[in-house]
Amino acid sequence: DSGVTQTPKHLITATGQRVTLRCSPRSGDLSVYWYQQSLDQGLQFLIQYYNGEERAKGNILERFSAQQFPDLHSELNLSSLELGDSALYFCASSALGTYNQPQHFGDGTRLSIL
Amino acid sequence: GESVGLHLPTLSVQEGDNSIINCAYSNSASDYFIWYKQESGKGPQFIIDIRSNMDKRQGQRVTVLLNKTVKHLSLQIAATQPGDSAVYFCAEDSGYSTLTFGKGTMLLVSP
Repeated sequence: DSGVTQTPKHLITATGQRVTLRCSPRSGDLSVYWYQQSLDQGLQFLIQYYNGEERAKGNILERFSAQQFPDLHSELNLSSLELGDSALYFCASSALGTYNQPQHFGDGTRLSIL
Repeated sequence: GESVGLHLPTLSVQEGDNSIINCAYSNSASDYFIWYKQESGKGPQFIIDIRSNMDKRQGQRVTVLLNKTVKHLSLQIAATQPGDSAVYFCAEDSGYSTLTFGKGTMLLVSP
């Protein structure tokens, strides 16, 4: 158990809809990262937050947004969903946001768009 | 250990053998590298890391080797067990703790 909690485990929805994925980092970790894992693209970094502030952005679509709250949990919002958004979405956290620290991953949310 | 299309390279070993999983990384400026293990239905699990000022690092039954000259990483697993069967990813820290992952290698261990 990594200590990172993601909910829900599974989401099934339709094209055009909006969903929110939630992540609770390990106790004491200030940095939260979001990744997308699909069969054709592998694991891709989306966005990082550190202590409530956006710190780095990767291949995140404009339809997607995230935030980190004062209690350090994070939410990833996906809107105007398309079939191609079907994937596993992982959250990771690391200690204190310091450099060269391993990220620890949750077990992901599997999003299926019908 | 890089994949082509949707197909992961696969390494099949017998229980008790030593396994070596290879990874080529892309950014010569990366200075931190991590190996992860991912089992079906789970998130990537941290195995071992190495900083670029090191060539080798050992953990419990695992060793990571780093060759910066050719931008190559390897993960050695000693006395491989059926529970080691999983997909293994290398990841490089390209800056600000954002990780770039390789495509993964599937390790199959037969009893």
